Amino acid sequence: SQKIEQNSEALNIQEGKTATLTCNYTNYSPAYLQWYRQDPGRGPVFLLLIRENEKEKRKERLKVTFDTTLKQSLFHITASQPADSATYLCAPGPSGGGADGLTFGKGTHLIIQP
Amino acid sequence: NAGVTQTPKFQVLKTGQSMTLQCAQDMNHNSMYWYRQDPGMGLRLIYYSASEGTTDKGEVPNGYNVSRLNKREFSLRLESAAPSQTSVYFCASSEVLRRSNQPQHFGDGTRLSIL
Repeated sequence: SQKIEQNSEALNIQEGKTATLTCNYTNYSPAYLQWYRQDPGRGPVFLLLIRENEKEKRKERLKVTFDTTLKQSLFHITASQPADSATYLCAPGPSGGGADGLTFGKGTHLIIQP
Repeated sequence: NAGVTQTPKFQVLKTGQSMTLQCAQDMNHNSMYWYRQDPGMGLRLIYYSASEGTTDKGEVPNGYNVSRLNKREFSLRLESAAPSQTSVYFCASSEVLRRSNQPQHFGDGTRLSIL
């Protein structure tokens, strides 16, 4: 069955440093992968989408890589700030793309310390 | 822009009671979804609707029914609530373009407790 793994432990990073979060998946080949941010008591908010034919995607201080050989995506936040503290979810899309719902990882809780 | 609106925000039910969770989106999206989120389990898909008039089961559909009332609204019904259905329920919507799904837009959830 499909399996998605994210760092289960909270990740503590000092302000100003780069935070790197990992998402590994097994037993399928997603056509794309999405990253979301979730704050306590709120719904997830979309951050970035990367497709299977893209190696890297950037948006301001965020960078996502997608290695279909390793079955892994890395999510980087450069120059991290306390406001970046949240839970980050990865969601590989279905193999055929389309309208099927996403399968989410359990999320990594990121804490940026001043 | 309201985005995705879920009602109610909080609800407490007794075992065996029924309830309908409401969701509406104002982004003219074709696809809508219902997820539940439990501690240590992450988000799990209950049902989805690829377009108006169609619904499909997700990973955990047992004990739930859905209705895609129109393009804007997608409701989730618990016919006979059980304590195992205590969870936070999220509705989401997205547009679908070719093979690449578009981002999903989530509501802020309904926190449901079954006693």
